[in-house]
Amino acid sequence: DTAVSQTPKYLVTQMGNDKSIKCEQNLGHDTMYWYKQDSKKFLKIMFSYNNKELIINETVPNRFSPKSPDKAHLNLHINSLELGDSAVYFCASSQIDREYEQYFGPGTRLTVT
Amino acid sequence: GNSVTQMEGPVTLSEEAFLTINCTYTATGYPSLFWYVQYPGEGLQLLLKATKADDKGSNKGFEATYRKETTSFHLEKGSVQVSDSAVYFCALSGYRDDKIIFGKGTRLHILP
Repeated sequence: DTAVSQTPKYLVTQMGNDKSIKCEQNLGHDTMYWYKQDSKKFLKIMFSYNNKELIINETVPNRFSPKSPDKAHLNLHINSLELGDSAVYFCASSQIDREYEQYFGPGTRLTVT
Repeated sequence: GNSVTQMEGPVTLSEEAFLTINCTYTATGYPSLFWYVQYPGEGLQLLLKATKADDKGSNKGFEATYRKETTSFHLEKGSVQVSDSAVYFCALSGYRDDKIIFGKGTRLHILP
């Protein structure tokens, strides 16, 4: 059973397009996250949701909009894609009060051409 | 603010060599400290943790001791294997923090 799953695994698209990445966790966790990992492996948190409420919103362009339809899902929509958005995006989840123990999805490699 | 600094890689070792990956931190109060590992093509996994000074976290032959006096949490393994090749991230979480601060990662290559 996959604990944290993401779709798609790979996404290649052109500048200016709008795309979405989906994330689902079946661990019963209350908190979900989106991270961006650049080509040098530097990992940066983008958003965090707890029970469908936004609790962390780092300095991210407003072209990025997370949506949490329920506490098991956190999707990431990106408008007007730019070359600099190319990266690997990871979804993660954790139990409340155990935010240090995060379970990561396999990642979505986004390439913008 | 809180931050984590870890040694830059890549680190290349032969199988059965001794491994140390250095990590130091800056934080107010008493953070919890972690090492995460990212195997090729996968997401990060929690490797070990320590929640207070002098605690030693250990898992899969890896160890790290929370040293408050030197603000360090160095990762060690006595005899590495090819399967240990991965990127290792040192991380911290402040008291009542709702997020983790990750270091920049250290890539480890183990040669057979």
